[in-house]
Amino acid sequence: GENVEQHPSTLSVQEGDSAVIKCTYSDSASNYFPWYKQELGKRPQLIIDIRSNVGEKKDQRIAVTLNKTAKHFSLHITETQPEDSAVYFCAAGYSTLTFGKGTMLLVSP
Amino acid sequence: DTAVSQTPKYLVTQMGNDKSIKCEQNLGHDTMYWYKQDSKKFLKIMFSYNNKELIINETVPNRFSPKSPDKAHLNLHINSLELGDSAVYFCASSQGTGRQYGYTFGSGTRLTVV
Repeated sequence: GENVEQHPSTLSVQEGDSAVIKCTYSDSASNYFPWYKQELGKRPQLIIDIRSNVGEKKDQRIAVTLNKTAKHFSLHITETQPEDSAVYFCAAGYSTLTFGKGTMLLVSP
Repeated sequence: DTAVSQTPKYLVTQMGNDKSIKCEQNLGHDTMYWYKQDSKKFLKIMFSYNNKELIINETVPNRFSPKSPDKAHLNLHINSLELGDSAVYFCASSQGTGRQYGYTFGSGTRLTVV
């Protein structure tokens, strides 16, 4: 089955800095790589996703990159704001998603 | 309108009891899931149903039994609850298998076994 590793487990940045979260996966059949944001006490919500036929995707301050050869993908958040503070999950899969263990991002004003 | 709704939101019960959690989605999705999120925030797949049929059953004690009366509903029944069952349980749905479209999660059910 798929195995997804996510790093770091916690990340503290100052407001305005960039944040990068990295994930690796094991199953070369995986072709879909979403990222979810979970605020305290809330449900995980999809913030951006990428498919295996694309190397990079950007949506305002958020971007995701995918390297299929190396089996790793990353989330980049620029100009971080305090409201970006949350737990971020990467996931990978073909039909069912396997999630990473999450990264707690703390953005200090 | 809530896309994926779960009830109850909170559930506190004693060890040994039997309880159910209900999930309904109004998105017209074909596939529904149950995930367990433990205290360390790890999201682990428990079950996956596609058009009312079980397609994934991960290593979960047989005290957990999912039921899907139709493709819009996926309920979770738990027998003989144990302390280790305490967690947040998330229902989710997606467009279908074969090509993943991403999940829409319910708001979660926080189960506390005392």
